Amino acid sequence: AQSVTQPDIHITVSEGASLELRCNYSYGATPYLFWYVQSPGQGLQLLLKYFSGDTLVQGIKGFEAEFKRSQSSFNLRKPSVHWSDAAEYFCAVGFTGTASKLTFGTGTRLQVTL
Amino acid sequence: DGGITQSPKYLFRKEGQNVTLSCEQNLNHDAMYWYRQDPGQGLRLIYYSQIVNDFQKGDIAEGYSVSREKKESFPLTVTSAQKNPTAFYLCASSTSPGQGAGQPQHFGDGTRLSIL
Repeated sequence: AQSVTQPDIHITVSEGASLELRCNYSYGATPYLFWYVQSPGQGLQLLLKYFSGDTLVQGIKGFEAEFKRSQSSFNLRKPSVHWSDAAEYFCAVGFTGTASKLTFGTGTRLQVTL
Repeated sequence: DGGITQSPKYLFRKEGQNVTLSCEQNLNHDAMYWYRQDPGQGLRLIYYSQIVNDFQKGDIAEGYSVSREKKESFPLTVTSAQKNPTAFYLCASSTSPGQGAGQPQHFGDGTRLSIL
């Protein structure tokens, strides 16, 4: 069965520092990959998605992610974090043949110190 | 603006009571989903529907029921059989990819259900 692993439960960075959130998936087929962000008590907002083509994808709010097939990874990055980026981040994966179902990771909570 | 509306935002359930969570979308999406979110467990799929009058169980369907009589609406009933219903419930929708995948899901703002 497909699975998604976000190994970091909680990350703290200083404002202005760079950020990388890790995501690994397990399955043999070509995945469709997503990163979502959730503020407390809110729904999830799509940051970016990877379907095919260029393995470096740009998203909203200055985020980017790189798909590395050899490592089964889709890590999220931002060169300079802002205090407003503090939230929970979820990686999700879907596969051809599973209709529109997504499998979500358990999330990484980002804290930003001033 | 198009979007997904979940109501109520907060809901309380008494022992032995069924409660229904509302989810309405005006995005003209074919597919709709219900997730349960518990701290540290991410999102777990309860039910999903790819077309009107059809729905499938997700990973944790026991104690829940749904209906899909209209394209815009996908209500979730938490029955008395669900012994641990306290959680944050999220509804989502997407365009239907047929047998493909890769359609991003759009989420409502959630309903927080608690036991009285």
